[in-house]
Amino acid sequence: KAGVTQTPRYLIKTRGQQVTLSCSPISGHRSVSWYQQTPGQGLQFLFEYFSETQRNKGNFPGRFSGRQFSNSRSEMNVSTLELGDSALYLCASSYGQGADQPQHFGDGTRLSIL
Amino acid sequence: AQSVTQPDIHITVSEGASLELRCNYSYGATPYLFWYVQSPGQGLQLLLKYFSGDTLVQGIKGFEAEFKRSQSSFNLRKPSVHWSDAAEYFCAVGAGTGGFKTIFGAGTRLFVKA
Repeated sequence: KAGVTQTPRYLIKTRGQQVTLSCSPISGHRSVSWYQQTPGQGLQFLFEYFSETQRNKGNFPGRFSGRQFSNSRSEMNVSTLELGDSALYLCASSYGQGADQPQHFGDGTRLSIL
Repeated sequence: AQSVTQPDIHITVSEGASLELRCNYSYGATPYLFWYVQSPGQGLQLLLKYFSGDTLVQGIKGFEAEFKRSQSSFNLRKPSVHWSDAAEYFCAVGAGTGGFKTIFGAGTRLFVKA
């Protein structure tokens, strides 16, 4: 069974641009979560989708948005990029919709802002 | 508010020695607890999880963890560390209903001496 796939693996952007990151969950998984990982802040929850609905959102500005498609694939968009958005963005999928669900992580997209 | 504390930023252990990584959580209800491991440049991999029942849980790669409600702790242990165990370890709690999020500790980086 294929794991969680995130594309692209690496991305370089400049301030003010926007970016879209993609995540394909494990087949059959309907919940997708996104996290931002930085050396200073650690792993911070961005949002969680289940069956195309955003059910939970972390404490990030509105520049961060996401969506989930009917095939459970998810995209995350960041507009008006800032230097502080440089991070590893991790996507995780799980089968069910409860907090007891272990998550399966992709290898992340490393975003660098110049 | 839910939180997870990993008091040790990094730990160095000799190969073959035992290991214990500390984790304390704050959560109002019965917690769903997890330990994940992250190798450089990769996503997180689930080591083990605790939901209820037996307070000593076994995981992959020879790891185990013990849940102690009275101490709000969920420490990770391994009797004999291998060089390949060098990585960053994250304790996490699953929180929320009708839309969940996983709250991660800051992580403990494990170094293994030959």
